[in-house]
Amino acid sequence: DTAVSQTPKYLVTQMGNDKSIKCEQNLGHDTMYWYKQDSKKFLKIMFSYNNKELIINETVPNRFSPKSPDKAHLNLHINSLELGDSAVYFCASSVSGSVWAFFGQGTRLTVV
Amino acid sequence: AQSVTQPDIHITVSEGASLELRCNYSYGATPYLFWYVQSPGQGLQLLLKYFSGDTLVQGIKGFEAEFKRSQSSFNLRKPSVHWSDAAEYFCAVASSGGSNYKLTFGKGTLLTVNP
Repeated sequence: DTAVSQTPKYLVTQMGNDKSIKCEQNLGHDTMYWYKQDSKKFLKIMFSYNNKELIINETVPNRFSPKSPDKAHLNLHINSLELGDSAVYFCASSVSGSVWAFFGQGTRLTVV
Repeated sequence: AQSVTQPDIHITVSEGASLELRCNYSYGATPYLFWYVQSPGQGLQLLLKYFSGDTLVQGIKGFEAEFKRSQSSFNLRKPSVHWSDAAEYFCAVASSGGSNYKLTFGKGTLLTVNP
């Protein structure tokens, strides 16, 4: 059983489109994150949620809107996609207050 | 602000040789340090972590790392590299972001293993 699963694994879309990436964890964690890995493999946190509440928002453009319907899910919706949004997006989860996060397999987003 | 530096972008070793990947961090408080590995097309897998206590920590796949506060370093080592160790390695430091922690990653070191 996959602990942190993301769908889709690959996503190719045109500029200007709106797309969503879904993340689910079955670890019973109450904290979830989105990280972005750019073309140079640099990983940076975007958001974190704790019990469906936004805790960390690292100056991400408003076009990115995370949504957490429950503790086990954290989806990422991106409006008006731009070429620079092309990256691998990783979802992660942890227990509240824990520094140790489990990562999903990543979603490779390509904007053309 | 916290930061992590991995000075080596790319390292090539022969199979069976020893390995050391360097990591330096900058963080005002006691650091929580991690090494993650990313195999091609795969997600991030935790190799090992340091929170406190013994400065030499053991991880999975035969990896170990040593925390040296005086040098602000957390270098990853393996005595004998296997071809399957070829991957990208990321060092990270955790810092508090309100009630949550966030990981700040280094830019990674790509390991190539020659037969």
